[in-house]
Amino acid sequence: QKEVEQDPGPLSVPEGAIVSLNCTYSNSAFQYFMWYRQYSRKGPELLMYTYSSGNKEDGRFTAQVDKSSKYISLFIRDSQPSDSATYLCAMTLYNFNKFYFGSGTKLNVKP
Amino acid sequence: DTEVTQTPKHLVMGMTNKKSLKCEQHMGHRAMYWYKQKAKKPPELMFVYSYEKLSINESVPSRFSPECPNSSLLNLHLHALQPEDSALYLCASSQDPGKETQYFGPGTRLLVL
Repeated sequence: QKEVEQDPGPLSVPEGAIVSLNCTYSNSAFQYFMWYRQYSRKGPELLMYTYSSGNKEDGRFTAQVDKSSKYISLFIRDSQPSDSATYLCAMTLYNFNKFYFGSGTKLNVKP
Repeated sequence: DTEVTQTPKHLVMGMTNKKSLKCEQHMGHRAMYWYKQKAKKPPELMFVYSYEKLSINESVPSRFSPECPNSSLLNLHLHALQPEDSALYLCASSQDPGKETQYFGPGTRLLVL
């Protein structure tokens, strides 16, 4: 079983839609949770970074962590074509030495 | 500013060549990382440098040789690579080893012929 599971998609939505991206994980010791956005042939860009359970909002993006269910989500409101990219979840233990990545979900926002 | 730069952007090399990838950050970060990413796969950790010392080597073949000349620079020396080593090589840095999240560079796309 993989440490982190993420649906690879692709997920195709119309412009303006609310997008929900999700990851599940098996290791209850994960403490820190990240979402990265990666455009084609580019490096991952950090979007959101949360610690423990709860919600964190930044503009059109909301990250949600449910440690009891071992489930994290990224919501994108008012999605734009420029949001079209692969979204990677990542998580780590308290020491941050090793990141465990999901396989990435490819999102396509249609104009 | 959270910029990590990498050179070159693209590299094509033969199996007998020796080449180097370079990574630079001027954010005062004390941990630097090398990752390898194949198409449609997540990044795979290769090496971690903490305070300019190699702290993690994820059982990477010796044809990949990392070097950290100072706290701002990270190199990856390549020798006798195989075609299956073709990938996007990503550098990342974090402010404090073991305490902060990582910021990635744009990567070097490597093709081994």
